[in-house]
Amino acid sequence: AQSVTQLDSQVPVFEEAPVELRCNYSSSVSVYLFWYVQYPNQGLQLLLKYLSGSTLVKGINGFEAEFNKSQTSFHLRKPSVHISDTAEYFCAVSDFGNFNKFYFGSGTKLNVKP
Amino acid sequence: NAGVTQTPKFQVLKTGQSMTLQCAQDMNHNSMYWYRQDPGMGLRLIYYSASEGTTDKGEVPNGYNVSRLNKREFSLRLESAAPSQTSVYFCAGQGQLNQPQHFGDGTRLSIL
Repeated sequence: AQSVTQLDSQVPVFEEAPVELRCNYSSSVSVYLFWYVQYPNQGLQLLLKYLSGSTLVKGINGFEAEFNKSQTSFHLRKPSVHISDTAEYFCAVSDFGNFNKFYFGSGTKLNVKP
Repeated sequence: NAGVTQTPKFQVLKTGQSMTLQCAQDMNHNSMYWYRQDPGMGLRLIYYSASEGTTDKGEVPNGYNVSRLNKREFSLRLESAAPSQTSVYFCAGQGQLNQPQHFGDGTRLSIL
């Protein structure tokens, strides 16, 4: 089974500053990778996904993530954050051997300050 | 487009009561899932259904049962609720197996 680690439980950042949210997963087998965002009292919305191809993936709201197979990482980045980006972000991994199982990290709360 | 719809949105139960959480999707998803979300623990899979007529246990199935009534509907039942089952429950659907899961807005369940 996969394990997904989001080392930072909370990330405070000022508006218009860049941000990186880190995600590492355990297994080196072929994987599918996802980032989701959750606003207060809402469900999870897909930000972006990596299935294959280019290791740099662009998503909605100006976010992007880079797949690094050797480091088993899929870090999320945004060059300039807005107040509206304040939310909790979840990394998820699904591996080729068991497509029905999504493994989620524990989440990172991004707090954008004015 | 409704997507994945969960009912109810909120519920308070007493210990020992039973309840069924409903989930319906109109996205023609083959697979459906039930998760619980607890602070600092991310989402944990309770049960899933890879296709109509099949169900399988996830990471934390104890105390729960599920029914895949048809392709659209996947319900989660608590037969005898316990305070440890206080959580936010999310239903999700998935089309092809290399595609993202799509989530409902959740059911916030408190058990006193």
